[in-house]
Amino acid sequence: SQQGEEDPQALSIQEGENATMNCSYKTSINNLQWYRQNSGRGLVHLILIRSNEREKHSGRLRVTLDTSKKSSSLLITASRAADTASYFCATEAGAQKLVFGQGTRLTINP
Amino acid sequence: DTAVSQTPKYLVTQMGNDKSIKCEQNLGHDTMYWYKQDSKKFLKIMFSYNNKELIINETVPNRFSPKSPDKAHLNLHINSLELGDSAVYFCASRQLGGSTGELFFGEGSRLTVL
Repeated sequence: SQQGEEDPQALSIQEGENATMNCSYKTSINNLQWYRQNSGRGLVHLILIRSNEREKHSGRLRVTLDTSKKSSSLLITASRAADTASYFCATEAGAQKLVFGQGTRLTINP
Repeated sequence: DTAVSQTPKYLVTQMGNDKSIKCEQNLGHDTMYWYKQDSKKFLKIMFSYNNKELIINETVPNRFSPKSPDKAHLNLHINSLELGDSAVYFCASRQLGGSTGELFFGEGSRLTVL
C-alpha cells in the first residue's frame, strides 16, 4: 500500500522547542504533502515537496524528502502553543489521489 | 467566504436509516473528493469526481453513493446506516494539474450512528 506512516504518533514538547515528525511510505511517489488539522476542524495544507526535491522551507517549517529511504520529515522550529494540532503526511503516486497516514498529534506546552 | 462547505456539520441517526451529506466548493476546482476519518484519525479516501465524472472509487460498500450534479457540488448518500459508518466525513477539492496540487478541505461532517 502507498499509505504514509507518521512517527511518532504523539509528541509533547515545551513552547520554543523544535518539533520533528517523520513520515515513511512504501511506493514511488510524485510528491509528498504535509497538512495540519486542528481539533474538530478540516485539514489545512502546509507544504508540498516534489520527488526531485530534497528540502523545502516555509516560514518556521522545514521539510526534507529522501526518496531512497522513502521517508520525509517535517521540522517546526521555535514552536508556539498555536502549533498544537495533528500533522499528516500525504503521498501522491500518479493515481490522482492523495493517500494520508494516521498523523502525529503534537502538543505544545506553555 | 467559505471555500469548501459541508452540511450538516453534525448528524446523529439510527441504524438502518438513510442520510445524505452535501458539499459545495466555490474555488472553481475541477476535482472533488470524499474522505472518511475514523476514531483513530486515519483518513481514507472514498471517492473522487473530476468534472462530474467518477475517477476514484475505493473499496467502499455500495451503500455509499456519491453524486456530482456539477463540478462545484459533490454529495454523499448513505443507505442502511451501520454502526461502523460512524466517523467524520470530509469533502475536499483541488484543481488537477494545478501548480501546487494541494487539497482544500471542508470542516467535516460528524456522523454518529446509534
